[in-house]
Amino acid sequence: DVKVTQSSRYLVKRTGEKVFLECVQDMDHENMFWYRQDPGLGLRLIYFSYDVKMKEKGDIPEGYSVSREKKERFSLILESASTNQTSMYLCASSFEQGTTDTQYFGPGTRLTVL
Amino acid sequence: GQQLNQSPQSMFIQEGEDVSMNCTSSSIFNTWLWYKQDPGEGPVLLIALYKAGELTSNGRLTAQFGITRKDSFLNISASIPSDVGIYFCAGLGTSYGKLTFGQGTILTVHP
Repeated sequence: DVKVTQSSRYLVKRTGEKVFLECVQDMDHENMFWYRQDPGLGLRLIYFSYDVKMKEKGDIPEGYSVSREKKERFSLILESASTNQTSMYLCASSFEQGTTDTQYFGPGTRLTVL
Repeated sequence: GQQLNQSPQSMFIQEGEDVSMNCTSSSIFNTWLWYKQDPGEGPVLLIALYKAGELTSNGRLTAQFGITRKDSFLNISASIPSDVGIYFCAGLGTSYGKLTFGQGTILTVHP
């Protein structure tokens, strides 16, 4: 079974803090994704990565950066957290670049920025 | 960009009833996926559809990939309380690896 894990289920941070959200997958997947989920807005793609050290912006990258130093790990970084970044953050991974690959999600991190 | 319209937005049903929800798009997709999300958890894949016209079942769940490749539906038969959650459709088109998600259908099942 595919397993995607996220470092924290719940996180509370203060405005201006630097925040790291970690995601690890154990299935040797090439592709990894970070989404945020907000009521009424659905899932929105922040950043994704097709390979180690490779990253591409998604639909809402502003205020975020990412790091992929190893194939199994994809980190989302909030350089200076703001209250409008309070959200549920979901990491996903998929096996190959193509039109039939399926994304598998982690359990999510609910981040609150005070 | 590509958009998916998922309906209905919410459903309130009695235990034992059948449920149907669907997604439509103005663009063609090559893969349709259906996910379920329980409160406070990440989405879990229910069914994946890879060919136009494909009809696939997973227990009480049945999903179809529309013949035009612009729509898909999900049916749940004989609903039970643990079916409660948010159901999302997602399509994979020409942007390799990037999914487009529907807005979700919130399902409530009354015992």
